[in-house]
Amino acid sequence: GAGVSQSPSNKVTEKGKDVELRCDPISGHTALYWYRQRLGQGLEFLIYFQGNSAPDKSGLPSDRFSAERTGESVSTLTIQRTQQEDSAVYLCASSPGTGNSPLHFGNGTRLTVT
Amino acid sequence: QKEVEQNSGPLSVPEGAIASLNCTYSDRGSQSFFWYRQYSGKSPELIMFIYSNGDKEDGRFTAQLNKASQYVSLLIRDSQPSDSATYLCAVVYGGSQGNLIFGKGTKLSVKP
Repeated sequence: GAGVSQSPSNKVTEKGKDVELRCDPISGHTALYWYRQRLGQGLEFLIYFQGNSAPDKSGLPSDRFSAERTGESVSTLTIQRTQQEDSAVYLCASSPGTGNSPLHFGNGTRLTVT
Repeated sequence: QKEVEQNSGPLSVPEGAIASLNCTYSDRGSQSFFWYRQYSGKSPELIMFIYSNGDKEDGRFTAQLNKASQYVSLLIRDSQPSDSATYLCAVVYGGSQGNLIFGKGTKLSVKP
């Protein structure tokens, strides 16, 4: 079956521009996560959506970052006024949403800010 | 603060040996434990999950959980060069998926 789909796979943008990253989770998965992974570093939690509950935004690094998800469908991560330190791979993952459910990751979006 | 600790490595083992990867966590309320493998330039992929104390085996992989000592391990038997990757430990605290925390990963290198 279809896995987690992310687009674009690569994005190069100029400093100061806004970018929007998209994640299409596995159908029926109520939980959706966004992570950031800088080169050679671990996963940095950004935001978590669970069904129609208020999202956990505790990992967003600044107010330039925001994310939306309507119901249990597509999510978008928006970065405004991009900075060079935003360059990283942005990974989306989804799961059925129960405590014992593993995450399924998309292939990520590699963002390069020049 | 809830933490998941892993030795960053690199851990180097010869082909055919047993690779032992360890992970410790700080909160006794942890419920679920996962091991992910991440090849360079790729996304993490699930290898194993374990919820109960003891061992869980799947092919060449064995996950070991000791809740009293708050550690979870991954053993890879008959290590192959294709096992060379970063291994991430993930822990769910309190039964809520929102409390999922990843360790920073251990880099494993299997030498032919």
